[in-house]
Amino acid sequence: QVQLQESGPGLVKPSQTLSLTCTVSGGSISSGSYYWSWIRQPAGKGLEWIGRVFTNGITNYNPSLKSRITISVDTSKNQFSLNLSSVTAADTAVYYCARESPGSRPLDYWGQGTLVTVSS
Amino acid sequence: DIQMTQSPSSLSASVGDRVTITCRASQSISTYLNWYQQKPGKAPRLLIYAASTLQSGVPSRFSGSASGTDFTLTISSLQPEDFATYYCQQSYTTPRTFGQGTKVEIK
Repeated sequence: QVQLQESGPGLVKPSQTLSLTCTVSGGSISSGSYYWSWIRQPAGKGLEWIGRVFTNGITNYNPSLKSRITISVDTSKNQFSLNLSSVTAADTAVYYCARESPGSRPLDYWGQGTLVTVSS
Repeated sequence: DIQMTQSPSSLSASVGDRVTITCRASQSISTYLNWYQQKPGKAPRLLIYAASTLQSGVPSRFSGSASGTDFTLTISSLQPEDFATYYCQQSYTTPRTFGQGTKVEIK
């Protein structure tokens, strides 16, 4: 059974870079045609897709965040990561990592989510 | 970006009721439409993918259908554990986009 777990600081200062890692267990991040994704959800609001990375490093980003995002994969550690630069209070949210499966591309496995607060 | 519009944004229903939630895409997405259930403090859970395929382990009272750019999630007989927020999501193109959510509350 695949499991995903987010990790990283829960508090980030404005203008700094938010950095999160998602560790995948129960399977190799390199096996299969999976994309590894980040999604966020501000308190009381809906879901926003941030971006995704394929195991060869190819990425797709949300244009609304593209200038500030970097998503990368480390197959040796079975992890993928999110960096979001120049954060403001508007970036405060629960951040989820998820696996996007082949075919119709649903997000079939999710991490539990991690709250990141942007505040001085 | 493809806009996904869900309706209603919330509804009140009783245990045993038939519940229908609609999602409309701003352009054709074929059947690249997924439905998720989210309970408070939890990650979303995949219910249905490809518009009408039930994810493994999801009860058969959940079903999905498609007609053009309109998609429907139906719960045939609402159970206590079904009170949650439901989201549709298109996986036709990037950026992936979600509907705004439908909160199903107890009447």
